[in-house]
Amino acid sequence: TQLLEQSPQFLSIQEGENLTVYCNSSSVFSSLQWYRQEPGEGPVLLVTVVTGGEVKKLKRLTFQFGDARKDSSLHITAAQPGDTGLYLCAGVRTGGFKTIFGAGTRLFVKA
Amino acid sequence: GAGVSQSPSNKVTEKGKDVELRCDPISGHTALYWYRQRLGQGLEFLIYFQGNSAPDKSGLPSDRFSAERTGESVSTLTIQRTQQEDSAVYLCASLELGYGYTFGSGTRLTVV
Repeated sequence: TQLLEQSPQFLSIQEGENLTVYCNSSSVFSSLQWYRQEPGEGPVLLVTVVTGGEVKKLKRLTFQFGDARKDSSLHITAAQPGDTGLYLCAGVRTGGFKTIFGAGTRLFVKA
Repeated sequence: GAGVSQSPSNKVTEKGKDVELRCDPISGHTALYWYRQRLGQGLEFLIYFQGNSAPDKSGLPSDRFSAERTGESVSTLTIQRTQQEDSAVYLCASLELGYGYTFGSGTRLTVV
């Protein structure tokens, strides 16, 4: 069974702090996606990383795909209350149709 | 439509009854997925449909669960003889290859 392990499971921080969320697997993925989910809504795609070592920035969010395409990280700079939510990573297997989701990191940013 | 539409948004049912959940995917997206999300948990894969290929049912938790899809349009997820452990949010997503999933808002199922 391919697993994607996310850490930490829960994170509560003050507005303005930085944080990093990790997504790790023993399996290689053709691409990896990050989603954010707010209560009562479905997950919303933030980014897709495809190339080993790739770094993508989305405003205050920085995503990195590991060189071996087995792991990824999400770094948020100067977190804001609007960043609160469940962050999910998802690894796409070769072939593109079977995706493995991590259990998520629940982030709470206090004002 | 512009997004993935799921109905109903909420469903409360008595234990032992059957329920049917509906998903309208984004037009043109050939792949459609069903996931289950228990309270405070991540996403549990249930089933996916890809074009006219046989669906991948490997995630269905028991034979009480079934799903159908007509062509590349609407899909229905049916749960027979519901149990309390079936209570969860059921999410549908359609996939545009290379761009990731677009999820619906889900159906919150409560079995009492």
